[in-house]
Amino acid sequence: EVQLVESGGGLVQPGGSLRLSCAVSGWILSDQYMDWVRQAPGKGPEWIARSRNKAVSFSTEYAASVKGRFTISRDDSKNLLYLQMNSLRTEDTAVYYCSRDNRNYGFDHWGRGTLVTVSS
Amino acid sequence: DIQLTQSPSFLSASVGDRVTITCRASQGLNSHLAWYQQKAGKAPKLLIYAAFTLQSGVPSRFSGSGSGAEFTLTIDSLQPEDFATYFCQQLNTYPLTFGGGTRVEIK
Repeated sequence: EVQLVESGGGLVQPGGSLRLSCAVSGWILSDQYMDWVRQAPGKGPEWIARSRNKAVSFSTEYAASVKGRFTISRDDSKNLLYLQMNSLRTEDTAVYYCSRDNRNYGFDHWGRGTLVTVSS
Repeated sequence: DIQLTQSPSFLSASVGDRVTITCRASQGLNSHLAWYQQKAGKAPKLLIYAAFTLQSGVPSRFSGSGSGAEFTLTIDSLQPEDFATYFCQQLNTYPLTFGGGTRVEIK
């Protein structure tokens, strides 16, 4: 069974850092494109980062809102996807989802999300 | 960035109704458009990809159409479990973007 489980969310002060993890089971992570999508309270989803698969050297893309502050990475030996978040701002407060990215065919599997709250 | 404008943003409908939601893009998408359903407290669920292809396991009362920059999600014979918020997403150009959502509520 395909499963994605996020962890690592919590309360952090502005300017702080947090690392989210996404445990993947049911497929070989290195074969997959993977993404992070966030959703602020009462808002629509916002795509923030993509990690392509091994065939394209795990290259990455970022939304402008997080570029230079967030880093998507993976440990395929552990079937884990990460999102390192630095210089956090109050506007980064959201539920963060990891998802399997079927490229032009949509995001077909999602985790349940982990809540990140940035507040003093 | 490609802007996706969904209309309406809210609609009230009854069980059995036919519902249509439109997603207009600020530029052409080469049919790289997906539709998602989201219920409160849950992750989005993929319904339609490549503008009109039904995701495996999704009921056939859902259908997608359109091309270029205008797309439509139709729900034939609305069921109680369909009351939710629906989002379109373009996968054609970075940054990948979502529409503002259409909330479907029970009349």
